[in-house]
Amino acid sequence: RKEVEQDPGPFNVPEGATVAFNCTYSNSASQSFFWYRQDCRKEPKLLMSVYSSGNEDGRFTAQLNRASQYISLLIRDSKLSDSATYLCVVNSLYNFNKFYFGSGTKLNVKP
Amino acid sequence: EAQVTQNPRYLITVTGKKLTVTCSQNMNHEYMSWYRQDPGLGLRQIYYSMNVEVTDKGDVPEGYKVSRKEKRNFPLILESPSPNQTSLYFCASSLYGGSDYGYTFGSGTRLTVV
Repeated sequence: RKEVEQDPGPFNVPEGATVAFNCTYSNSASQSFFWYRQDCRKEPKLLMSVYSSGNEDGRFTAQLNRASQYISLLIRDSKLSDSATYLCVVNSLYNFNKFYFGSGTKLNVKP
Repeated sequence: EAQVTQNPRYLITVTGKKLTVTCSQNMNHEYMSWYRQDPGLGLRQIYYSMNVEVTDKGDVPEGYKVSRKEKRNFPLILESPSPNQTSLYFCASSLYGGSDYGYTFGSGTRLTVV
């Protein structure tokens, strides 16, 4: 079983839509959680960390559900520039040397 | 500007010809790591380093070597490249292993082995 699993998509949404992605992780000892954004053929860039109480950064909201072992990313009022692949990343308390990456969810925002 | 610098950005080489991909960071990060990214497989860790002279294998270390003689540099060495090492490679650094600040990635090296 993969450490981190994501729906590959693509999610095709119109501009202005609200879209949500989920990511499940297998290790209950996981400690740190992140969402990264990756544009085509570019390096991943940190979008936001995910905190236990949930956190918001502008149009982006991240949530953590430890009981069900998933994290989510909500994007409100989608922009064309939000089109990218979103990677879920998890770091284990017991092996903090390793960051586990999901394969990514592709988002296409259409005019 | 805080960054991770990888070179070269693109490389085409022949099977068996040794090559080195350089990686340097200017953020005084302790932790550095190499990943390869292949379609459908996501990012897979090759090697990582917790600090100077401390390196360890990731999930796919076969065919690769690394060294960490200085804090800022973490080169990836392919002693005898093979076509299955054709991939997009990323170097990344973090303040320390398990950091809540996540990774900073280099711009990537697209390697083709023919």
